[in-house]
Amino acid sequence: GAGVSQTPSNKVTEKGKYVELRCDPISGHTALYWYRQSLGQGPEFLIYFQGTGAADDSGLPNDRFFAVRPEGSVSTLKIQRTERGDSAVYLCASSLASNTGELFFGEGSRLTVL
Amino acid sequence: AQSVTQLGSHVSVSEGALVLLRCNYSSSVPPYLFWYVQYPNQGLQLLLKYTSAATLVKGINGFEAEFKKSETSFHLTKPSAHMSDAAEYFCAVKPPGGSYIPTFGRGTSLIVHP
Repeated sequence: GAGVSQTPSNKVTEKGKYVELRCDPISGHTALYWYRQSLGQGPEFLIYFQGTGAADDSGLPNDRFFAVRPEGSVSTLKIQRTERGDSAVYLCASSLASNTGELFFGEGSRLTVL
Repeated sequence: AQSVTQLGSHVSVSEGALVLLRCNYSSSVPPYLFWYVQYPNQGLQLLLKYTSAATLVKGINGFEAEFKKSETSFHLTKPSAHMSDAAEYFCAVKPPGGSYIPTFGRGTSLIVHP
């Protein structure tokens, strides 16, 4: 596809369950970012990949959150033992080069933890 | 450290009126600055960006923003609002260099009345 694709668009889960959110970036974009957006807030940085490696994971809130990008393209954000406070829209963005700061966003995955 | 402050979580204007959305930034080095727009049920998309060239930056859909170093501001304007401009607008800041992550403001919701 032409843009950043995120699946699922909506995920409802129960407290304590494991969740995976997938991001398929624009072809050729080496930089990939995960942000989290809570209601009424701006995007909050979680993790940034340059190629296959996590160049900056300082935004991950705790060790229940983990992300991978094994082949330098698709990325998966993994959340273990979900809590109600994890409910938010998880945004993925990609960029042709990280130094431009120009991000192309997907539509997000809305996670609801009951 | 870097941050942005968007004054006013909601701005309401009449169709045809001037749009002014405020953004002030804090950055330890001369920054890159961005405005993104998020229409309902869509991902964020770039409106315009300032990367240390001309201080008056023109973007899509008739929007423009002016970088004012003395005021640490990057306010977004449009001479005449259209109903289709109703959306959430986010200001973002990033120091130059690939190791830096864009930081977003909380957003301003633009409401356009007929």
